[in-house]
Amino acid sequence: GENVEQHPSTLSVQEGDSAVIKCTYSDSASNYFPWYKQELGKRPQLIIDIRSNVGEKKDQRIAVTLNKTAKHFSLHITETQPEDSAVYFCAARAKRGGGADGLTFGKGTHLIIQP
Amino acid sequence: DTEVTQTPKHLVMGMTNKKSLKCEQHMGHRAMYWYKQKAKKPPELMFVYSYEKLSINESVPSRFSPECPNSSLLNLHLHALQPEDSALYLCASSQIGTGGNSPLHFGNGTRLTVT
Repeated sequence: GENVEQHPSTLSVQEGDSAVIKCTYSDSASNYFPWYKQELGKRPQLIIDIRSNVGEKKDQRIAVTLNKTAKHFSLHITETQPEDSAVYFCAARAKRGGGADGLTFGKGTHLIIQP
Repeated sequence: DTEVTQTPKHLVMGMTNKKSLKCEQHMGHRAMYWYKQKAKKPPELMFVYSYEKLSINESVPSRFSPECPNSSLLNLHLHALQPEDSALYLCASSQIGTGGNSPLHFGNGTRLTVT
């Protein structure tokens, strides 16, 4: 099955600086890569996703890049703000059969924005 | 506000009790999921329902019994749980696309404590 590795486990950056979180996946059949933000005591919320036919996607201060050859994808947050502090999870999914397939999550990165 | 509603928000049960977790969505999604999340860990897939049929069971112990009465509802029946089953139980839903790249929408979860 799929295995997703995520680094770093904790990331502390100064407010206004950029943050980068990196993930690798093992299943070459994976074709969908979402990123979720989870604040303490709350549900995971989708912040951005990328399909395998796209190399990069941007939404305001957030961008995701995908390198299918290296099986590697990254989340970039620019101009970080205190409200960006949370745990971020990357995930991957391969499409098999006619039904739905679950997401496999990385272990998470605790992002701390220092004022 | 979340479009996936889970009840109850909190549940405390003894090891001999029988209880049920409920999940409802009205987005027309035909895939529904149960995930288990322990503190400081990523969500772990338990079950997937596709078109109201169980399509994935991630080797979950039989003390957890899922049920999908219709396309909007998903239940998780609990019986003879162990203290280590205490966790946040997340329900999610998604469309079923041919590309397998539909995002998961999570509910706020049920925080379960087994005493």
